[in-house]
Amino acid sequence: EPEVTQTPSHQVTQMGQEVILRCVPISNHLYFYWYRQILGQKVEFLVSFYNNEISEKSEIFDDQFSVERPDGSNFTLKIRSTKLEDSAMYFCASTPQAGQANNEQFFGPGTRLTVL
Amino acid sequence: AQSVTQLDSHVSVSEGTPVLLRCNYSSSYSPSLFWYVQHPNKGLQLLLKYTSAATLVKGINGFEAEFKKSETSFHLTKPSAHMSDAAEYFCVVSASGGGADGLTFGKGTHLIIQP
Repeated sequence: EPEVTQTPSHQVTQMGQEVILRCVPISNHLYFYWYRQILGQKVEFLVSFYNNEISEKSEIFDDQFSVERPDGSNFTLKIRSTKLEDSAMYFCASTPQAGQANNEQFFGPGTRLTVL
Repeated sequence: AQSVTQLDSHVSVSEGTPVLLRCNYSSSYSPSLFWYVQHPNKGLQLLLKYTSAATLVKGINGFEAEFKKSETSFHLTKPSAHMSDAAEYFCVVSASGGGADGLTFGKGTHLIIQP
């Protein structure tokens, strides 16, 4: 069964460093998403991406963040200069169809980012 | 704007007894509602979703949920808990509209199954 994959499973970085989190969505899906979950808190929406551009973004998704689909299969989240408060689990998700709010979003297993 | 409230952060039941995980929502639009489950070190898996076709929704692994508009609730139930049900459960709402909408998650309920 197709699934969303994410690499690495755990990333440790120093404050101020750039990190790139990678996701491979399910191949025929059209919408892609990033969410984060700070330890002990709820899962929060960061950004959605469709047709090679950002569709929606939350207040969390500031200029430190960027997303890209560099090669038609990978979907990346870049944090330019990490802060301690960026430590969280980051989930990638994808969905096959546009325009349907009740579409299931398929989630990857997450990347745990630890900023020291 | 929409929000989700999961009324219990932890629920503990004995194996073989019923499970009830409570969820209330608010939404400015006709919502789509979901329950996702997260097992340790695993991704989020869809249990069931409410699509406005039927108020009682059946999902995987024997779970079901009932949409009650008058109570703005979407509680998750299972008649008989199994040890493998131990996990984190998230009630989720999506505003009606395009597929670009991010999902709004509740804080989660940790389900503990006692042998």
